[in-house]
Amino acid sequence: ETVLTQSPATLSLSPGERATLSCRASQSVDIYLAWYQQKPGQAPRLLIYDASNRATGIPARFSGSGSGTDFTLTISSLEPEDVAVYYCQQRKNWPPLTFGGGTRVEIK
Amino acid sequence: EVQLMESGGDLVQPGGSLRLSCAASGFTFSSYGMTWVRQAPGKGLEWVSSILSSTDSRTFYADSVKGRFTVSRDYSKNTVYLQMNSLRAEDTAIYYCAKLLSPGGSNMHFDYWGQGTLVTVSS
Repeated sequence: ETVLTQSPATLSLSPGERATLSCRASQSVDIYLAWYQQKPGQAPRLLIYDASNRATGIPARFSGSGSGTDFTLTISSLEPEDVAVYYCQQRKNWPPLTFGGGTRVEIK
Repeated sequence: EVQLMESGGDLVQPGGSLRLSCAASGFTFSSYGMTWVRQAPGKGLEWVSSILSSTDSRTFYADSVKGRFTVSRDYSKNTVYLQMNSLRAEDTAIYYCAKLLSPGGSNMHFDYWGQGTLVTVSS
């Protein structure tokens, strides 16, 4: 099973700051990694798929990068509505499909 | 507009059974695989099961539910089901259905999610 480790667990930043979230895989997943945003009380929403492709309707301030075992989700300028938990998910080595434990983004 | 609507969640005793439904609309249901993901209270996301499209009817399960849960779909009703048997306390979670990003089963990322249905397993 491919384990995804996300860091940090919590990120607290001011509006306008750059947020950098990390996802590390226990084995290579090539580029087959997605990022999801889950706001309180809501279902997850797909942000990025296959490491760097923004999903439909996702603002340009969200970007993804990486390959192999190390991936990054960047929010270039944090907005108050970006408060959420962010999860990564791999589709290279499955079953099982696996998710990371999540990074909580807070506004200072 | 793509819509996914789960139903069937309830309070059930350990060892009991439940069937979840996910009614889909706004896309060509037969062309896309579907998946179930759950989230225990205050916890992260856990993949449960996936079923591919009409051209490839394979099903897949997490080890934690294999032999107890069965995923199926009814193309005439545009609905996917999750039959859950021998339920345990650790199955307590919100269960989401989600649509695969691309037709077939080649891309196991999920672009649309339902609002979820709560399953509570407790005596």
